[in-house]
Amino acid sequence: GENVEQHPSTLSVQEGDSAVIKCTYSDSASNYFPWYKQELGKRPQLIIDIRSNVGEKKDQRIAVTLNKTAKHFSLHITETQPEDSAVYFCAATPNNAGNMLTFGGGTRLMVKP
Amino acid sequence: EAQVTQNPRYLITVTGKKLTVTCSQNMNHEYMSWYRQDPGLGLRQIYYSMNVEVTDKGDVPEGYKVSRKEKRNFPLILESPSPNQTSLYFCASSLNNQPQHFGDGTRLSIL
Repeated sequence: GENVEQHPSTLSVQEGDSAVIKCTYSDSASNYFPWYKQELGKRPQLIIDIRSNVGEKKDQRIAVTLNKTAKHFSLHITETQPEDSAVYFCAATPNNAGNMLTFGGGTRLMVKP
Repeated sequence: EAQVTQNPRYLITVTGKKLTVTCSQNMNHEYMSWYRQDPGLGLRQIYYSMNVEVTDKGDVPEGYKVSRKEKRNFPLILESPSPNQTSLYFCASSLNNQPQHFGDGTRLSIL
């Protein structure tokens, strides 16, 4: 089955700096890669996703890149703000859907004002 | 309001006492799933259901049961809970080929 590894496990940045979180996956059949943000005590919420037919997707300060050959994908947050502080999870699935997701272990992002 | 509702939100119980965590969604989603969240391990899928009367094991199904008798409900059953099932549990639902929506979570402590 799929195995997703996520790095780093914790990341501390200064407000205004950029943050990058990286994930690798094992199943070359995976074709859908969502990112979830989980604030303390709350549910995971989808912030951006990418499908295997594109290499990059951007939504305001958030972007995701995908390298299918190397089987890795990354989340980029620019101009970080204190409200970006949360745990971020990457995930992968081979069925081109949000179903049957395999999650990475999570990255705790701390943005210092 | 479109939502996934889990109950209870918090539960402290003892080893061996059967419990059920309910999950209900009002979005007519075909797909529903249960995850457990443990520190450093992310979210691991316990069971999922593609539609009514269709359920399948996820990555960590041992010690759990589910049922899907109606489209909106997908209860998680712990027949004989043990301390290693102490965790934060999330239910999620989606239309097929669409991102998942998560419930607010259920924190279970089994003594």
